Amino acid sequence: DGGITQSPKYLFRKEGQNVTLSCEQNLNHDAMYWYRQDPGQGLRLIYYSQIVNDFQKGDIAEGYSVSREKKESFPLTVTSAQKNPTAFYLCASNGDRLNLNTEAFFGQGTRLTVV
Amino acid sequence: GNSVTQMEGPVTLSEEAFLTINCTYTATGYPSLFWYVQYPGEGLQLLLKATKADDKGSNKGFEATYRKETTSFHLEKGSVQVSDSAVYFCALSDQGNTDKLIFGTGTRLQVFP
Repeated sequence: DGGITQSPKYLFRKEGQNVTLSCEQNLNHDAMYWYRQDPGQGLRLIYYSQIVNDFQKGDIAEGYSVSREKKESFPLTVTSAQKNPTAFYLCASNGDRLNLNTEAFFGQGTRLTVV
Repeated sequence: GNSVTQMEGPVTLSEEAFLTINCTYTATGYPSLFWYVQYPGEGLQLLLKATKADDKGSNKGFEATYRKETTSFHLEKGSVQVSDSAVYFCALSDQGNTDKLIFGTGTRLQVFP
């Protein structure tokens, strides 16, 4: 079945470490997104990509990095520069760059905890 | 810039009560509008959508009408169930103008038996 897969579901990070969250989709979507969700809050956009080998910063990109080497994959690295990384991270994809009015599909999320 | 504003929650209702969650938007183009639902510990799922003015999206008893004159897309359901308890997000995408999805802050709905 087509869909979007995030892994791992739970991730623990020691302070000062970089960690990478995986996001893979087999929907043939051009656009992919990373959001951060804190308890009781909405979604904040970290990075997004409209096409392979291109991506843009969202509203809270500091301390994060991404790559888009393949259409199917959009990994997010949480670096040691991110001072408060404990959160629920959601990856999404939708349509193509000429038709962003299609619905977005979300992964099940990765819960990152700093220990 | 484009934005979405939702009513703050939580919204607390008894089973079979009528639900309204307000959503208004600001956009310079002609956006499509969406409602997503998030159950605890999960990602978001599309609930319904409308792509042009006066369209009505509907699914699972929920409805929302795209009102361009009031820039609104309020979510309604005639009779809520305990299983409807979740967080609801209003969102827009604005083809040809902005290149990202924009979400509201979400509204938590709690339904009690």
